[in-house]
Amino acid sequence: DIQMTQSPSSLSASVGDRVTITCRPSQTINSFLHWYQQIPGKAPKLLIWRASRLQSGVPSRFTGSGSGTEFTLIITSLQPEDFATYFCQQTYNTPFTFGPGTKVD
Amino acid sequence: EVQLLESGGGLVQPGGSLRLSCAASGFLFSSCAMNWVRQAPGKGLEWVAIINGRGQTTYYADSVQGRFTISRDNSENTLYLQLNSLRVEDTAVYYCAKSDMGLYGDPIYFWGQGTQVAVSS
Repeated sequence: DIQMTQSPSSLSASVGDRVTITCRPSQTINSFLHWYQQIPGKAPKLLIWRASRLQSGVPSRFTGSGSGTEFTLIITSLQPEDFATYFCQQTYNTPFTFGPGTKVD
Repeated sequence: EVQLLESGGGLVQPGGSLRLSCAASGFLFSSCAMNWVRQAPGKGLEWVAIINGRGQTTYYADSVQGRFTISRDNSENTLYLQLNSLRVEDTAVYYCAKSDMGLYGDPIYFWGQGTQVAVSS
């Protein structure tokens, strides 16, 4: 199985900050890496798919990059509604594992 | 508008069974691969299973292989998850989740609101 690690596990930030989250799969996964946002008590929401493609309706302050074994999610200017937990997921091979999450507070 | 509405959760004793359902609308259900993803209390997301659009191909997480069965009824636009031999560690919110046509490479584009499963004696 492909193991996913995320760093940091949590971070403290303020409105307007630039936030960077990293996801590292245990083996190369091409670009089949996706990012989700989850607000407490809510279902996850797709932000970025296939490493760098912005999902429709998601603000452009969210950007994704990377390939192979290192991927990055950047929030260029943190907004109040962005305080949430962020998960990466690989769909290169089953089981389609998620990272453990990064809580932004 | 895409909608996924899960039902069937509840409290069950260890060793028991449940059947979860997910009623889908707002998209061509039979063309989309569908997933179940779960989240234990205070924990992260765990992918559980996926089924292709025609219902011919399924894959499972190691933790549920042999105990859970994913299936679908395209005539009713409904996804199912049969949960057998339930364990305390299966306690979680179970999400129904929509991918796209392919099994590999695609993200989960849309999630239901989840149904709670609690396994306890």
